Amino acid sequence: QVQLVHSGAEVKRPGASVKVSCKASGYTFTGYYMHWVRQAPGQGLEWMGWINPDSGGTNYAQNFQGRVTLTRDTSISTAYMELSRLRSDDTAVYYCARDPAYSYGPSPYWYFDLWGRGTLVTVSS
Amino acid sequence: QSVLTQPPSVSAAPGQKVTISCSGSSSNIGNNYVSWYQQLPGTAPKLLIYENNKRPSGIPDRFSGSKSGTSATLGITGLQTGDEADYYCGTWESSLSALYVFGTGTKVTVL
Repeated sequence: QVQLVHSGAEVKRPGASVKVSCKASGYTFTGYYMHWVRQAPGQGLEWMGWINPDSGGTNYAQNFQGRVTLTRDTSISTAYMELSRLRSDDTAVYYCARDPAYSYGPSPYWYFDLWGRGTLVTVSS
Repeated sequence: QSVLTQPPSVSAAPGQKVTISCSGSSSNIGNNYVSWYQQLPGTAPKLLIYENNKRPSGIPDRFSGSKSGTSATLGITGLQTGDEADYYCGTWESSLSALYVFGTGTKVTVL
């Protein structure tokens, strides 16, 4: 079954870091770009960045530059999103979302055909 | 705040048609493909339309997309109670702040 499975919910203090995982199954993980998108409670969707699971190349939204790091472990078909210096307004559900563009291509197709169920990250003192 | 503007809500009776607009600019919709996502309550978004008007396999032809200039439109015909959800447009953005932007989202209510 083609799916993306997230790690469990997290509760963090302001200033801390969080690392969310997204495990791919049912398809070749290294074959397709992966994006991360977040959604604050009751709010809309916000794109954070992408990673090329094959090369490890990344690209981040300027809003998150310096705070977000996307990585992957190809041996376990898992992508990671780490967000540092957490603030209360980072409370959100964090989704990984596959881009159907082949990773050997020059760039993503910029739409998302497979989504994980998301990980809720709560930042609270 | 998003650079793509959608109406906060639209509603119609079962069987009727609704359209959802997504207004942008030349730096986003005007020069790039638009995709649309459906988010049922409590679930992850789901791809409905990509490259302006293409439907992934499994998406019924009741859902359609179009683009003209710096605006895009999602149409839903034969509205069903199961269509009650939030709908988001999205596209590549050439400004420095973000490479991809989503619309503000539209809540569809089936009366």
